Amino acid sequence: SQTIHQWPATLVQPVGSPLSLECTVEGTSNPNLYWYRQAAGRGLQLLFYSVGIGQISSEVPQNLSASRPQDRQFILSSKKLLLSDSGFYLCAWSVPRRDLYEQYFGPGTRLTVT
Amino acid sequence: AQSVAQPEDQVNVAEGNPLTVKCTYSVSGNPYLFWYVQYPNRGLQFLLKYITGDNLVKGSYGFEAEFNKSQTSFHLKKPSALVSDSALYFCAVRDMGRGSTLGRLYFGRGTQLTVWP
Repeated sequence: SQTIHQWPATLVQPVGSPLSLECTVEGTSNPNLYWYRQAAGRGLQLLFYSVGIGQISSEVPQNLSASRPQDRQFILSSKKLLLSDSGFYLCAWSVPRRDLYEQYFGPGTRLTVT
Repeated sequence: AQSVAQPEDQVNVAEGNPLTVKCTYSVSGNPYLFWYVQYPNRGLQFLLKYITGDNLVKGSYGFEAEFNKSQTSFHLKKPSALVSDSALYFCAVRDMGRGSTLGRLYFGRGTQLTVWP
């Protein structure tokens, strides 16, 4: 069966510090991968998605970036965090097949920028 | 463009009573619709989906959803609510216009369901 991992689970970082959040998927090959941010416990904002190694698309201009160095690894980064980067970050994956449409989410990382 | 609306921020229901969480959608083609549930400080869990076929879709934990094309709705229902159903519920529609294999989902803002004993 497939599983998705995210770490760390929680993170407190000062303004201006760098960030690296990691997401890995097990049990599937060539998944589509997604990074979302959820602010104030409500709506989801799609930040980045990837359909393959090294292929990243950004949905929202900001000081965050994403990379996919391996097929099942997706990394969210920042060189200098802002207070507004605080939130709950969720990674998700889906199978790129026409008959399978749902996304599966990881446990999330709670980021607090102080 | 695809979009989803969840008109209620909050739904409160007594345990044992039926519950409904509303969702309406707007799509340019055939709707592919989903419901997810999120417990505090957890990721989203997939509940059910409508792709084609029967308008009544059954999912996890006793939930079901009714697809109504004429009303462009996909309401989530459960005949008898449990206190443990209290959570945040998201409706989503799939993007079919930017390559069918991308699988991008558009989410509603979520509805907080509270079931009291």
